[in-house]
Amino acid sequence: RKEVEQDPGPFNVPEGATVAFNCTYSNSASQSFFWYRQDCRKEPKLLMSVYSSGNEDGRFTAQLNRASQYISLLIRDSKLSDSATYLCVVKMDSSYKLIFGSGTRLLVRP
Amino acid sequence: EAGVAQSPRYKIIEKRQSVAFWCNPISGHATLYWYQQILGQGPKLLIQFQNNGVVDDSQLPKDRFSAERLKGVDSTLKIQPAKLEDSAVYLCASSFGLAGGDTQYFGPGTRLTVL
Repeated sequence: RKEVEQDPGPFNVPEGATVAFNCTYSNSASQSFFWYRQDCRKEPKLLMSVYSSGNEDGRFTAQLNRASQYISLLIRDSKLSDSATYLCVVKMDSSYKLIFGSGTRLLVRP
Repeated sequence: EAGVAQSPRYKIIEKRQSVAFWCNPISGHATLYWYQQILGQGPKLLIQFQNNGVVDDSQLPKDRFSAERLKGVDSTLKIQPAKLEDSAVYLCASSFGLAGGDTQYFGPGTRLTVL
């Protein structure tokens, strides 16, 4: 079983739509959680950290469910520029190593 | 502020040849990481340095891969000899420290094709 699992997509949505991605992780000792964004043929960039209480950054909302070991990312009012691959990332603070999922691809169409 | 620099951006070699990649982290960042990203997958950590010491190289195929960061600044990753399955993007990242809240900043990567 992969340590971090994501639906690869692609999710194909119209502009203005709301879209949600889920991610599950296998190691209950995981302590920190992140969403990274990766544009085609570019490097990953931190989108947002995920906190137990949930957090919001503009149109983006991230939530963590430790009991079920899943993380979600909600994008409201999708823009064409949101088209990218979204990588779910977990870290066990004891090792400081980032473990990436394979990513979920989002395509926002006009 | 300058980002993480990597070179070359692209490299095409034949199997069994050798190749080396170079990375210069963000100034002042003590921790440097090399990742391998195979098409359709997320990045996988190969090796992690803090200053010039290795913190984690558990997923580095040591029979063919080597890396060094002699002066605690820039780093090189070498593959010798290359195999077809080494075709991937090699990403270098850096962070200020090892602390849990430190963000890792990635370079543009080196895209390696092994024929």
